[in-house]
Amino acid sequence: GQNIDQPTEMTATEGAIVQINCTYQTSGFNGLFWYQQHAGEAPTFLSYNVLDGLEEKGRFSSFLSRSKGYSYLLLKELQMKDSASYLCAVLDSNYQLIWGAGTKLIIKP
Amino acid sequence: DAGITQSPRHKVTETGTPVTLRCHQTENHRYMYWYRQDPGHGLRLIHYSYGVKDTDKGEVSDGYSVSRSKTEDFLLTLESATSSQTSVYFCAISEVGGSYNEQFFGPGTRLTVL
Repeated sequence: GQNIDQPTEMTATEGAIVQINCTYQTSGFNGLFWYQQHAGEAPTFLSYNVLDGLEEKGRFSSFLSRSKGYSYLLLKELQMKDSASYLCAVLDSNYQLIWGAGTKLIIKP
Repeated sequence: DAGITQSPRHKVTETGTPVTLRCHQTENHRYMYWYRQDPGHGLRLIHYSYGVKDTDKGEVSDGYSVSRSKTEDFLLTLESATSSQTSVYFCAISEVGGSYNEQFFGPGTRLTVL
């Protein structure tokens, strides 16, 4: 079966750095997405990785290792507005997005 | 923000009644999707469309049907609602369906089946 694992919840301090991990086992791989979802709102796109390595976009970076079935989202200089759920999703061999259950990130002052 | 609206935003209905949710886009994107989101689960694909009158099933399609008669509208119908279909439903759109299909999501519909 297809499976994507993320921690259910993480807590971090304002101004700090946090890394949210995602491991996946899917039938094929055509890319990995990270989305942010604030409570009661729609998911919004953060990043896309299809090749191994690090993609940096401002305070957010996303890393991919296809051989290990592993990705992480790195958030720097955390702000209170970063409190949200972070969703990892893999595009499988049929170009269907398989979603993880999401990681709820709580930022404390 | 991508122009996607969903209606209704909230609905309470009774078991056994039919329910139709509407997704409307103004982006002229070819692909449209219906997902449900439940606590402890990731987003799960119900049905998707790759063009007018072209639809296909997703992971959790049982009990749901869809129709797309115009590019801008994608309807999701629960023929006979059950309590297990209580969920938040999201519509999404994407310009392409291939390797980089960034999806834009509507605001969601919260459905409660009593």
